[in-house]
Amino acid sequence: DAKTTQPNSMESNEEEPVHLPCNHSTISGTDYIHWYRQLPSQGPEYVIHGLTSNVNNRMASLAIAEDRKSSTLILHRATLRDAAVYYCILRNGGATNKLIFGTGTLLAVQP
Amino acid sequence: DTAVSQTPKYLVTQMGNDKSIKCEQNLGHDTMYWYKQDSKKFLKIMFSYNNKELIINETVPNRFSPKSPDKAHLNLHINSLELGDSAVYFCASSAGTAVRTQYFGPGTRLLVL
Repeated sequence: DAKTTQPNSMESNEEEPVHLPCNHSTISGTDYIHWYRQLPSQGPEYVIHGLTSNVNNRMASLAIAEDRKSSTLILHRATLRDAAVYYCILRNGGATNKLIFGTGTLLAVQP
Repeated sequence: DTAVSQTPKYLVTQMGNDKSIKCEQNLGHDTMYWYKQDSKKFLKIMFSYNNKELIINETVPNRFSPKSPDKAHLNLHINSLELGDSAVYFCASSAGTAVRTQYFGPGTRLLVL
């Protein structure tokens, strides 16, 4: 699986949008971009994933650069419950289903 | 209803003991996993089972032995526990072995003294 690079930490204010970046310059054509997050003292949870087009779901939006070498997870209105470590993970469409976690981005949300 | 559950939630034990952690999922998934999160919060896969068959076995000491009695259960038995085994162990499940969303349990916090 190709490598991803994320900032170690970010800070946001409650009810403001948050843009969490991820660089994946060695992404291959069959790599999906997945985002998981881990809230304090909980297991990781799926957030969103995409291949080429931008994606929206009830939790977040995923904006994928045209060359696919970077992507941005967008939380439209951060809440205190969004404080977590966010992991950007590349998953090869033909590979076995193992998640390779990096260090992620620790998001702090201020009231 | 809890989708992926683990027992126990906390486990404190002495070095050299043998212990088991249990995992159950009620999502109807056929693939289950064990991940380990160490003290530096680094998460790494250990094992994966599909339909009770081992399909992923990372470089884990053979003191760790997973067992899948059926598709809904994946247990982890650890022999001769060492201090370095102290970690949080997460179970997860997914529908199939291709690139599928994984659903994680709440974790078992193991402390070896």
